[in-house]
Amino acid sequence: AQTVTQSQPEMSVQEAETVTLSCTYDTSENNYYLFWYKQPPSRQMILVIRQEAYKQQNATENRFSVNFQKAAKSFSLKISDSQLGDTAMYFCAFFDNDMRFGAGTRLTVKP
Amino acid sequence: GAGVSQTPSNKVTEKGKYVELRCDPISGHTALYWYRQSLGQGPEFLIYFQGTGAADDSGLPNDRFFAVRPEGSVSTLKIQRTERGDSAVYLCASSLNSNGYNEQFFGPGTRLTVL
Repeated sequence: AQTVTQSQPEMSVQEAETVTLSCTYDTSENNYYLFWYKQPPSRQMILVIRQEAYKQQNATENRFSVNFQKAAKSFSLKISDSQLGDTAMYFCAFFDNDMRFGAGTRLTVKP
Repeated sequence: GAGVSQTPSNKVTEKGKYVELRCDPISGHTALYWYRQSLGQGPEFLIYFQGTGAADDSGLPNDRFFAVRPEGSVSTLKIQRTERGDSAVYLCASSLNSNGYNEQFFGPGTRLTVL
């Protein structure tokens, strides 16, 4: 079974600075998909960024980018120019036949 | 049209009772997923439908849990003989199809409290 590990339960960053959230996963599959989801206090899960395992190029979405290391089974999220609205729980997720989520990292952006 | 909706938003029930949780996916989305999120945890996969059929129900914890999607749109998650350990937020998501790259759009969840 695939497992997803987020080793940072909580993190904080000053507004406008950069923060990196870690994620590792375990799988024997070669083709799969990886995601970062954001869950603000409203509870609504929102997709931040996604990566296909067969693509070597790291995905980017505006201020969000990933560092995908397939051999190391690592998928970290970098948030640049952090904004107060980025405060939320962030979940790393792995999709093969179904979606598996990590336990999440609570990110607080401080003014 | 609108996003994924779930009703009710909150449900309080007594141990041993039966509950139904409803999910209305985005129109045209053929794949529908149910997750359970306990406090302080990430969502845990329960079941997903492709069309009307349950393509993977391996996440259902036991036979007290059952889900249907009779017309390939609305889905209902049914829990029999509820237990206190069933208390959690139940999330529903839909996507265009079950291709893994397609974004899953989540509903706001139903918070179930079993007293």
